[in-house]
Amino acid sequence: NAGVMQNPRHLVRRRGQEARLRCSPMKGHSHVYWYRQLPEEGLKFMVYLQKENIIDESGMPKERFSAEFPKEGPSILRIQQVVRGDSAAYFCASSPRRDPALYEQYFGPGTRLTVT
Amino acid sequence: QKEVEQDPGPLSVPEGAIVSLNCTYSNSAFQYFMWYRQYSRKGPELLMYTYSSGNKEDGRFTAQVDKSSKYISLFIRDSQPSDSATYLCAMNTNAGKSTFGDGTTLTVKP
Repeated sequence: NAGVMQNPRHLVRRRGQEARLRCSPMKGHSHVYWYRQLPEEGLKFMVYLQKENIIDESGMPKERFSAEFPKEGPSILRIQQVVRGDSAAYFCASSPRRDPALYEQYFGPGTRLTVT
Repeated sequence: QKEVEQDPGPLSVPEGAIVSLNCTYSNSAFQYFMWYRQYSRKGPELLMYTYSSGNKEDGRFTAQVDKSSKYISLFIRDSQPSDSATYLCAMNTNAGKSTFGDGTTLTVKP
């Protein structure tokens, strides 16, 4: 019964490159959330997706960041033209699909992005 | 002003002590309240999840929610060195996304 999987666990990119972070939710979960954690800070919501739909992207920076959760395959968080300020831990969480919705979220181990 | 304020700590207690961790919030639309434990360089692990005001107990952990005061607490009884971690409170409206506190780092000394 695998948990939330994220890869890569560590990613180093030079300024201006693209970063692609992948997340596979727990089996049976169709809701995916992405959070960013800066050093010594709490988690900040970025985006909430269901299969093929972006439900809430209110926490996503307006430029350079995008996310998708295709019908098949993992959810992808893409950061174009990375800058040093993008260095952070990026966590994915998934939750089960139930009515009424239950909002407990199960987190993956995170991807630590370092921009040099 | 942040929607969720968490006692910053750090907190250091001897083994066996009772630990109290606290958060306040300003958004009255929050309905779901969670506590997560996060070990260094790991993902957050869900500890407790509550919906209504009152207490919920799970082993050595008790979560308390007071919606009238917009205040939640996590109590850890008989604390162990293995409880040393950062504890995060989190809250949701019906919209799905969680709003987190900045975390309290706890050290339990043997």
